[in-house]
Amino acid sequence: AQTVTQSQPEMSVQEAETVTLSCTYDTSESDYYLFWYKQPPSRQMILVIRQEAYKQQNATENRFSVNFQKAAKSFSLKISDSQLGDAAMYFCASQGGSEKLVFGKGTKLTVNP
Amino acid sequence: DTGVSQNPRHKITKRGQNVTFRCDPISEHNRLYWYRQTLGQGPEFLTYFQNEAQLEKSRLLSDRFSAERPKGSFSTLEIQRTEQGDSAMYLCASSLEAGSNQPQHFGDGTRLSIL
Repeated sequence: AQTVTQSQPEMSVQEAETVTLSCTYDTSESDYYLFWYKQPPSRQMILVIRQEAYKQQNATENRFSVNFQKAAKSFSLKISDSQLGDAAMYFCASQGGSEKLVFGKGTKLTVNP
Repeated sequence: DTGVSQNPRHKITKRGQNVTFRCDPISEHNRLYWYRQTLGQGPEFLTYFQNEAQLEKSRLLSDRFSAERPKGSFSTLEIQRTEQGDSAMYLCASSLEAGSNQPQHFGDGTRLSIL
């Protein structure tokens, strides 16, 4: 079985600063994928970034990057130059042999102007 | 590409009633997923289809829940004899078939409230 743990229920950051959201996971799969999704209030879930577990290089997407530590089963998200529009719930998720996504409980990010 | 569409956006019903939700996936996507999200939690997997075939069901999907995708396009999720605990956001997602690295695209969800 897969589990995903997000230990930070809430985080806040000043506009233009950098923030890191934590995620740990557990899986028995040898081949799996990890994702960060963003869910703004009353809006749909949007994919932010994804990482293939077999790739050692950390994924980056513009201001978003991950720190993937496979041995430690850690997958944190770094948001650089935070913008007001980054305020949302952020969910870490894993996907193994089954097609389903397993999500953490989420981290609510507040961006202060 | 109009994205994943879900209807209705909100549904309020009395306990014991039946409800049905609809999901229209992105047109070229042959995989369709249903998730349930309760307040303060991440989404939990319910079931998924590849074309019209239902390939996996969660133990969360009790016998009161049934999902269909008759022509491999839109899908419906029906809940019979609703209970208070069924109050949640029901999310639909779709993806292309080619491997697990194809991202799932989510709809806005249907929020169900049981009175």
